[in-house]
Amino acid sequence: GENVEQHPSTLSVQEGDSAVIKCTYSDSASNYFPWYKQELGKGPQLIIDIRSNVGEKKDQRIAVTLNKTAKHFSLHITETQPEDSAVYFCAASPPKAAGNKLTFGGGTRVLVKP
Amino acid sequence: GAVVSQHPSRVICKSGTSVKIECRSLDFQATTMFWYRQFPKQSLMLMATSNEGSKATYEQGVEKDKFLINHASLTLSTLTVTSAHPEDSSFYICSARERANEQFFGPGTRLTVL
Repeated sequence: GENVEQHPSTLSVQEGDSAVIKCTYSDSASNYFPWYKQELGKGPQLIIDIRSNVGEKKDQRIAVTLNKTAKHFSLHITETQPEDSAVYFCAASPPKAAGNKLTFGGGTRVLVKP
Repeated sequence: GAVVSQHPSRVICKSGTSVKIECRSLDFQATTMFWYRQFPKQSLMLMATSNEGSKATYEQGVEKDKFLINHASLTLSTLTVTSAHPEDSSFYICSARERANEQFFGPGTRLTVL
């Protein structure tokens, strides 16, 4: 089955700096890679996703890059703000025919210091 | 965006009782819903995949007789924790799939078994 590894497990940045979180996956059939933000006591919120036919996607201060050959993808947050503090999870999913189940990384606890 | 609700948000029960958690997709129809369990400071662990009108598919190691799942309509799935014990205390989160891969999560249910 799929295995997703996420680094770092914790990340502390100064407000205004950039944050980068990296994930690797094992199943070359995976073709969908979402990122979720989870605040304390709440469910994960989809913040951005990328599919295997795209190398990069950007949405305001958030961007995701995908390297299918190396089987890794990254989340980039620029101009970080205190409200970006949360736990971020990457995930990978195979095509619908293979069940569409998400496999999550271990999570990265991001702290943005004002 | 797609909205998923869960009820109740938190529940405290005595050991041996059963607890039902509801998951609803509010503005879209979800043929597939997923149930996850999350322990403190850990990632999400998929428990089962719930398909409307058919039996749920449980992940390895998840007792289907203990965690009963019913997906009777395109907008509602329920998880019943039967004969709950303290080790069942956890954060239970559902998600609903809207399109090919995208999963939207509910706010979670905190279960505490005394």
